[in-house]
Amino acid sequence: GAGVSQTPSNKVTEKGKYVELRCDPISGHTALYWYRQSLGQGPEFLIYFQGTGAADDSGLPNDRFFAVRPEGSVSTLKIQRTERGDSAVYLCASSPTGPNEKLFFGSGTQLSVL
Amino acid sequence: GESVGLHLPTLSVQEGDNSIINCAYSNSASDYFIWYKQESGKGPQFIIDIRSNMDKRQGQRVTVLLNKTVKHLSLQIAATQPGDSAVYFCAENRGPAAGNKLTFGGGTRVLVKP
Repeated sequence: GAGVSQTPSNKVTEKGKYVELRCDPISGHTALYWYRQSLGQGPEFLIYFQGTGAADDSGLPNDRFFAVRPEGSVSTLKIQRTERGDSAVYLCASSPTGPNEKLFFGSGTQLSVL
Repeated sequence: GESVGLHLPTLSVQEGDNSIINCAYSNSASDYFIWYKQESGKGPQFIIDIRSNMDKRQGQRVTVLLNKTVKHLSLQIAATQPGDSAVYFCAENRGPAAGNKLTFGGGTRVLVKP
């Protein structure tokens, strides 16, 4: 599979718990993005990595959300003290060099906070 | 391209007819536009893109038209097929001043009737 891979595909957790969502981008893509999609809406930007560094994290809703990409490939989105309002599909995308080109999306992780 | 919450605009089209999906954008600095198709349970899939120095671009059965004067983008699908049933999103890159992020509209659901 040469596409963007996200695991798990579904995650159910309880309010207050910590979760990690993983993204494997397309090999060789230096840019990686996290978006969040609520039911019936378009994806909303969370954070963008260029290599290992977060080039733009202006979409993270609060300090409970954090993302890393330590080796410039796989990325993990971390959510602390989850709330019911965090329930959504979390989408990861990658692109070859940067944001002014098409993004390739994974299938997302459906997060449900009970 | 405004979000309409849970009630996506819906376009019902007869199989074999042409479809036209419209999107308005507000930022005159936007210089790159993409149409994505999203099927249930999947991530957005790239259809076609266009840069602001063009007003028309054609792909296989799809055409994107860009009218910068009225800030309007449309996607035309020729000879619509059942497999075209999905939610379609327009996305714009609002340029360096807005962080070069890809920003999505609210989506249009296309239902193809056999």
